[in-house]
Amino acid sequence: EPEVTQTPSHQVTQMGQEVILRCVPISNHLYFYWYRQILGQKVEFLVSFYNNEISEKSEIFDDQFSVERPDGSNFTLKIRSTKLEDSAMYFCASSEQGRLRSSTDTQYFGPGTRLTVL
Amino acid sequence: KQEVTQIPAALSVPEGENLVLNCSFTDSAIYNLQWFRQDPGKGLTSLLLIQSSQREQTSGRLNASLDKSSGRSTLYIAASQPGDSATYLCAPTSGGYNKLIFGAGTRLAVHP
Repeated sequence: EPEVTQTPSHQVTQMGQEVILRCVPISNHLYFYWYRQILGQKVEFLVSFYNNEISEKSEIFDDQFSVERPDGSNFTLKIRSTKLEDSAMYFCASSEQGRLRSSTDTQYFGPGTRLTVL
Repeated sequence: KQEVTQIPAALSVPEGENLVLNCSFTDSAIYNLQWFRQDPGKGLTSLLLIQSSQREQTSGRLNASLDKSSGRSTLYIAASQPGDSATYLCAPTSGGYNKLIFGAGTRLAVHP
């Protein structure tokens, strides 16, 4: 069964460094998402991406964050200058329909990248 | 702004019991609602999607109901097994681009 994959599974970085988290969505999916989960807290939406542009972003997704689909298979999240509070599990998700307001659009999640900022 | 609450926060039951996990949300203008399972330190596994026009959706021993007008969804787990032990998350959509808003989850432990 097709699945969303993410690399690396764990990333340790120093505060102020740039990190790139990588995701390979399911191949025929059109909508891509990033969510994060700080340890012990709820999963939070960061950004959605469709047709090579951001559809929606949350207040968390400030100028330090960016997303890109550099080729036909990868979807990346870049954090320009990491802070201690960026430490979290980052989940990539994808969905097939790519349509606004789709009631049947299931989001499939990857296994996550645990980011630790020291 | 969509707010999602899940009750109970934790549940510990003996194997074989039928379970009810509750989810409530404040904004009834949703397109669908997904239930997920999360094992410790792992990703999210989609269990069920229930469309806004549906009242129920079933998958194996799982049954989800939705009362959109009152902002409630319920996940029923029949004949629970130790392998069902995990955190169960409820996530209705919010906004035009189907972003998911998550509850804090119900942490379920099923003991033999």
